[in-house]
Amino acid sequence: KNEVEQSPQNLTAQEGEFITINCSYSVGISALHWLQQHPGGGIVSLFMLSSGKKKHGRLIATINIQEKHSSLHITASHPRDSAVYICAVGTSGTYKYIFGTGTRLKVLA
Amino acid sequence: DTGVSQNPRHKITKRGQNVTFRCDPISEHNRLYWYRQTLGQGPEFLTYFQNEAQLEKSRLLSDRFSAERPKGSFSTLEIQRTEQGDSAMYLCASRLPTDRDDYGYTFGSGTRLTVV
Repeated sequence: KNEVEQSPQNLTAQEGEFITINCSYSVGISALHWLQQHPGGGIVSLFMLSSGKKKHGRLIATINIQEKHSSLHITASHPRDSAVYICAVGTSGTYKYIFGTGTRLKVLA
Repeated sequence: DTGVSQNPRHKITKRGQNVTFRCDPISEHNRLYWYRQTLGQGPEFLTYFQNEAQLEKSRLLSDRFSAERPKGSFSTLEIQRTEQGDSAMYLCASRLPTDRDDYGYTFGSGTRLTVV
């Protein structure tokens, strides 16, 4: 079992839909990141959080430390949101980050 | 360009040859990471520098891999005696110091290595 699991692996949505991507982890963490990777490989950092909730535009990220779970929500989805969304956790006591395998999102117009 | 710069963008090499990649982080970022990503997988941690010190190295990294950050600015990743299994995208990322970091990583565009 991977230390960082994301679900779903693939997601197709219609424009305007509310989208939720989940990340569960089994290790102690110092922080959790949500990243966006577009075709061609460029990776953009969306959020870094260690507790609670953060919002940026149409994106919301939450984390529940007790349940070892984080969610990324996209409101009013748009085709330009189509990308791979990756969850990465910083492991307690090390500098190492463990990445999930990503959720491939496709938003149809 | 004030982002993280990686060179070269693409490298094709014959098995057994040595290759070296370079990463220039954002100037005020003292933390630098190397990752490796294969198709369909998330990035795998390779190594971490804080300033010029290499503070952590993955057990995935065999003795053929070495990384340096001699002056705490740019970093190099060298792979000796390349193997076909080394073919991957090698990503560099940098971050602000811990007491200033509220955003996380800035990634470079990566170096895609193909070993033939």
